[in-house]
Amino acid sequence: AQSVAQPEDQVNVAEGNPLTVKCTYSVSGNPYLFWYVQYPNRGLQFLLKYITGDNLVKGSYGFEAEFNKSQTSFHLKKPSALVSDSALYFCAVRAQPGAGSYQLTFGKGTKLSVIP
Amino acid sequence: DAGVIQSPRHEVTEMGQEVTLRCKPISGHDYLFWYRQTMMRGLELLIYFNNNVPIDDSGMPEDRFSAKMPNASFSTLKIQPSEPRDSAVYFCASSFLQGSTDTQYFGPGTRLTVL
Repeated sequence: AQSVAQPEDQVNVAEGNPLTVKCTYSVSGNPYLFWYVQYPNRGLQFLLKYITGDNLVKGSYGFEAEFNKSQTSFHLKKPSALVSDSALYFCAVRAQPGAGSYQLTFGKGTKLSVIP
Repeated sequence: DAGVIQSPRHEVTEMGQEVTLRCKPISGHDYLFWYRQTMMRGLELLIYFNNNVPIDDSGMPEDRFSAKMPNASFSTLKIQPSEPRDSAVYFCASSFLQGSTDTQYFGPGTRLTVL
């Protein structure tokens, strides 16, 4: 079975400081990894994904994530946080096509609060 | 493209009533997913379809829930009879498997309140 852990329910960071939202995963074979963001009363918006290739993935709004196979992690990062980044962030994993279910498994979410 | 469209955006109903949620996926996408989001359980996959065929409905909580996809541009999730514990936000998502575009794109959700 595949699973995602987001160890922090909430992350607080001052505006302008770097931010990190942590994610670890478990899946059979090589993973497809995703980050989504959810603003209040909105649906989930895709931020970025890792499929293969470079371990550092760049996405929307200045976010990036680093895939670390040995640590089974896919942490989300941004060099300088904005107040508008305050939202709920979800990490998700699925197996590569043919290696298992197409089901995308989500973490519980991490609430990011950027303090002015 | 307009993205994934869901209706209604909000639904308030009384226990025992039938509820039907609707979803229009992004044109050309061959997978459609129904999720439920609650504070207690987070985001749960209920069922997904590939080319209009249900592939995995193991997340459907009980027989009161049913989902259909009569064609590539429309799906419904029905709850009959509804119960207060069904109160949640229900999301529909769609994706296209081929190539690098298998990202799931989510609709805005339907907030269901069962009184």
